[in-house]
Amino acid sequence: EPEVTQTPSHQVTQMGQEVILRCVPISNHLYFYWYRQILGQKVEFLVSFYNNEISEKSEIFDDQFSVERPDGSNFTLKIRSTKLEDSAMYFCASGDRRGGETQYFGPGTRLLVL
Amino acid sequence: GQQLNQSPQSMFIQEGEDVSMNCTSSSIFNTWLWYKQDPGEGPVLLIALYKAGELTSNGRLTAQFGITRKDSFLNISASIPSDVGIYFCAGPSYNDYKLSFGAGTTVTVRA
Repeated sequence: EPEVTQTPSHQVTQMGQEVILRCVPISNHLYFYWYRQILGQKVEFLVSFYNNEISEKSEIFDDQFSVERPDGSNFTLKIRSTKLEDSAMYFCASGDRRGGETQYFGPGTRLLVL
Repeated sequence: GQQLNQSPQSMFIQEGEDVSMNCTSSSIFNTWLWYKQDPGEGPVLLIALYKAGELTSNGRLTAQFGITRKDSFLNISASIPSDVGIYFCAGPSYNDYKLSFGAGTTVTVRA
């Protein structure tokens, strides 16, 4: 069964460093998302992406964040200058919106900012 | 995102018992999704509901999309140890596509 994959599974970085989180969405999906989950809290929406542009973003997704679909398969989230409070699980999701808004999540990248 | 109220927050049950949890929203949803999350992993989609009143089953799981479009419930029948985990409801509100998540129901099954 097709699934969303994410790399790396874990990332440790120093505060102020840039990180790039990578995702490979399900191949026939057109809608892509990033969410994050701070430890012990619920999943929060960051950004949605369709047709090579951001379609919606939350207030969390400020200027230090950017997304890109550099080729036909990858979808990346870049955090330019990481802060301690960026430590969280970051989930990529994709969907095709056939029949409704169903999103399939990847296994996540655990980001720890020291 | 929209505020989803999910209850109960946690439950301890005996193996073989049925489990029921629900979600309510102050705004109308056009899709209700139920996910299960194991520790350190991503949410796994269990059931998707697209129409008000829809009742859908997936094995021992049954979920319903409330008639008012502001609530949904998930039932797990005859629970087994691997049902342990956190169950989240989620959905986009009307004319929206980003998912709002409930706070989760943590299920612990005693053998």
